[in-house]
Amino acid sequence: GQNIDQPTEMTATEGAIVQINCTYQTSGFNGLFWYQQHAGEAPTFLSYNVLDGLEEKGRFSSFLSRSKGYSYLLLKELQMKDSASYLCASVDSNYQLIWGAGTKLIIKP
Amino acid sequence: SAVISQKPSRDICQRGTSLTIQCQVDSQVTMMFWYRQQPGQSLTLIATANQGSEATYESGFVIDKFPISRPNLTFSTLTVSNMSPEDSSIYLCSGGTEGDEQYFGPGTRLTVT
Repeated sequence: GQNIDQPTEMTATEGAIVQINCTYQTSGFNGLFWYQQHAGEAPTFLSYNVLDGLEEKGRFSSFLSRSKGYSYLLLKELQMKDSASYLCASVDSNYQLIWGAGTKLIIKP
Repeated sequence: SAVISQKPSRDICQRGTSLTIQCQVDSQVTMMFWYRQQPGQSLTLIATANQGSEATYESGFVIDKFPISRPNLTFSTLTVSNMSPEDSSIYLCSGGTEGDEQYFGPGTRLTVT
């Protein structure tokens, strides 16, 4: 079956580091996306991992382990503007996205 | 990359009426999708819009309620038919190509009274 899980909510402090985990079970897996969504806005693309390993893009990094069905998004040097929901989505064999419920990240000063 | 526009951005409709949402992409994309998102929740895929043929609907969504058109590679419409308050939601259009990111429109906020 198709399943994707991520924590509902996380809290972190400005300037710190936070890791948001995502586990998936997807037939015909073709990669994993991370999107950021601020309240009232459309999702915006953060990263796309197809191969195992860590991909770094500025303050954001994303990791994928295909054998473990596991990914994480790492946010460094947190800023207040990083308060948002973070959605992971796996890609199935038809290139459709299977969405997680999203992780609401709250940044405190 | 692709820029996606949607209209209307929001509407308030009466029960029993229908609303058609338009989605325009500024470049050709192979795949277009329609999603629904309730406040504070993740995206629920309604259907894949197929160019020149009937859309592919997900479980729980039917063509009579959500007819979709896609006459070409850059344009699609979603109609929410015979609306009820339960249809109040944000409707999002997205587009992309296989193996690439999906780009999202700004969404249409629908309120049914």
